[in-house]
Amino acid sequence: DTEVTQTPKHLVMGMTNKKSLKCEQHMGHRAMYWYKQKAKKPPELMFVYSYEKLSINESVPSRFSPECPNSSLLNLHLHALQPEDSALYLCASSQDSVGNQPQHFGDGTRLSIL
Amino acid sequence: GENVEQHPSTLSVQEGDSAVIKCTYSDSASNYFPWYKQELGKRPQLIIDIRSNVGEKKDQRIAVTLNKTAKHFSLHITETQPEDSAVYFCAARNAGNMLTFGGGTRLMVKP
Repeated sequence: DTEVTQTPKHLVMGMTNKKSLKCEQHMGHRAMYWYKQKAKKPPELMFVYSYEKLSINESVPSRFSPECPNSSLLNLHLHALQPEDSALYLCASSQDSVGNQPQHFGDGTRLSIL
Repeated sequence: GENVEQHPSTLSVQEGDSAVIKCTYSDSASNYFPWYKQELGKRPQLIIDIRSNVGEKKDQRIAVTLNKTAKHFSLHITETQPEDSAVYFCAARNAGNMLTFGGGTRLMVKP
């Protein structure tokens, strides 16, 4: 079965903290994504990495900083977040970003900003 | 950019009945249409998808139809079961390779 692993599952942080969300996949996928999902809303695309390069940034505030250390890993660095940033952060991957390949999601990190 | 509308927002059916969820999209260049099921507190899970060169696709109790001319696509679930209860999202991928989701449909299957 396809698997995208996200850590941590839950994160509570203050507005002055710095933390990172991690995502890992070992399916050989070359495209990875970050989405933000608020309660009772659909996922909203934040970033797309294709072959370890940032290809799409959906006008996300600079307090969110993505990083793709290698083809299997995707991080999202958080700094000086606001209470409205509390949400479920989902990572997804697909074989590539140009073909019509399905995206598979991880279980997400539920983030709460105090 | 792409805009995806999804209806209804909530749908309640009796176990064994059929359920139909409809989506429309705005970008005629969109060519890939997945459907995701999301149970409470869990990840969106791909249940079926269709590409623009196909009009219909079926997988057991689930089917999807696509009308490119009208720019709408639908999810059909037959013989619904209580475990089908979840939020269902349609999505469309446009020429910019971005996936845009519909607003979601909360399906409730009553035993």
